[in-house]
Amino acid sequence: GENVEQHPSTLSVQEGDSAVIKCTYSDSASNYFPWYKQELGKRPQLIIDIRSNVGEKKDQRIAVTLNKTAKHFSLHITETQPEDSAVYFCAASINSNYQLIWGAGTKLIIKP
Amino acid sequence: EAQVTQNPRYLITVTGKKLTVTCSQNMNHEYMSWYRQDPGLGLRQIYYSMNVEATDKGDVPEGYKVSRKEKRNFPLILESPSPNQTSLYFCASSHSLWDSPYEQYFGPGTRLTVT
Repeated sequence: GENVEQHPSTLSVQEGDSAVIKCTYSDSASNYFPWYKQELGKRPQLIIDIRSNVGEKKDQRIAVTLNKTAKHFSLHITETQPEDSAVYFCAASINSNYQLIWGAGTKLIIKP
Repeated sequence: EAQVTQNPRYLITVTGKKLTVTCSQNMNHEYMSWYRQDPGLGLRQIYYSMNVEATDKGDVPEGYKVSRKEKRNFPLILESPSPNQTSLYFCASSHSLWDSPYEQYFGPGTRLTVT
C-alpha cells in the first residue's frame, strides 16, 4: 500500500540553529502535503502545507520544499526557539486526494 | 468558536463492553475522519466520511464502526472492544472539494484504555 516515510524520528538541535525534517511518499498522484505540529498532550495543528503546483512555500521561520520527481518533501525551521519543541508529522494525500497518509512523526528537541 | 469536540476525553472500559465516542464539529465541514495514535506509529486513519451517509474505511477499520447521519456528527463505535484498541483517538474535520483536501481540524482526543 501507499506509505510516507519520515526521518529522523528524533532530532535534537541547539536553540537558534536550523532543523530539517524529511518525508518521502510513494503515491505519484499525491498533490497535497501538509505538516502538523503536536505539542505534548495537545491535538495536531497545521503549521504549513504545500500543493504539487509549487516547489517551495515559506511562512516566517518555517518553510516546506517539494521535489515531485524524487517524491520527497521537507520541513525547514530556522532560528529554532524553545516553543518549537514538539512532534511534527508530515502527510501526503492519496486515493484521489480524499485521504491523507501520515508519517510516523519526528520529535524535535530544542536544547537551550 | 469554531471547533471539533469529542466525548468522553478519557475512558477506561473492559473487554467486550460496547462503547461510543462522539465527535461533533460546528464548521459545516463536509469531510470528517477518525484516527488512532499509537507511539511510533503516527496517525492511522480508521474511517472517514466525505459527507452525510458517505463513509469509507481507512487503514485500520477492523473492530470499529461509524455513521454519518448528520453533517456535524461522526460517532465512532466499538462494538466489542479489545485491549489492542487501547489508544489515543482523534476526530478531525475539514472542507473538501472533489480533488482538493484542506486543513484538518482535530478534536482534543479521547484516551481509551481497554482492560
